Amino acid sequence: ETGVTQTPRHLVMGMTNKKSLKCEQHLGHNAMYWYKQSAKKPLELMFVYSLEERVENNSVPSRFSPECPNSSHLFLHLHTLQPEDSALYLCASSQVRTGGTRDEQFFGPGTRLTVL
Amino acid sequence: DAKTTQPTSMDCAEGRAANLPCNHSTISGNEYVYWYRQIHSQGPQYIIHGLKNNETNEMASLIITEDRKSSTLILPHATLRDTAVYYCIAGYGKLTFGQGTILTVHP
Repeated sequence: ETGVTQTPRHLVMGMTNKKSLKCEQHLGHNAMYWYKQSAKKPLELMFVYSLEERVENNSVPSRFSPECPNSSHLFLHLHTLQPEDSALYLCASSQVRTGGTRDEQFFGPGTRLTVL
Repeated sequence: DAKTTQPTSMDCAEGRAANLPCNHSTISGNEYVYWYRQIHSQGPQYIIHGLKNNETNEMASLIITEDRKSSTLILPHATLRDTAVYYCIAGYGKLTFGQGTILTVHP
């Protein structure tokens, strides 16, 4: 247990569906991250929230929409996805210190998403 | 983030030390060296990080060369459960994952 939980652990959805992935951290951190891991590819950083403000968005298609209502919760809203969006979606959290240094990240177990 | 180079795969016998190398020749002065590992289909797990000095914790030791252009992660007594992909990352907070090293620990 890393202190970062993700739900659901598995999700199968059609291309016309709308679903949301949820992440919760119990570590008191002030930054949260979404990563995507496709088969046989490195982890790709999608979004970064620091102090509930989105500070990074790595050219992710608009069919992925993040939401960070508070420092403990992070959502990834999905709509009209494509089969190539099938992947493991990982959430992480860390503490960002004054001056911008970020401590090590703690990852959740991930959501295995399959788009039909 | 500085680019890192790691061997694609390594083998280690159970109970022996596993030494995983990483090259980061373009690392800048304020960038740390982080090591994470990922066991199949799980989220990455933080192992250790350092800036200039060697570091040790309950999981591993990190040896950073004096010029900081390379480092070695040492698992002192590898077990079968240490079989995983090990990622070396050189950066300042933001993590850019590469392909990592697939470490296989065999009986």
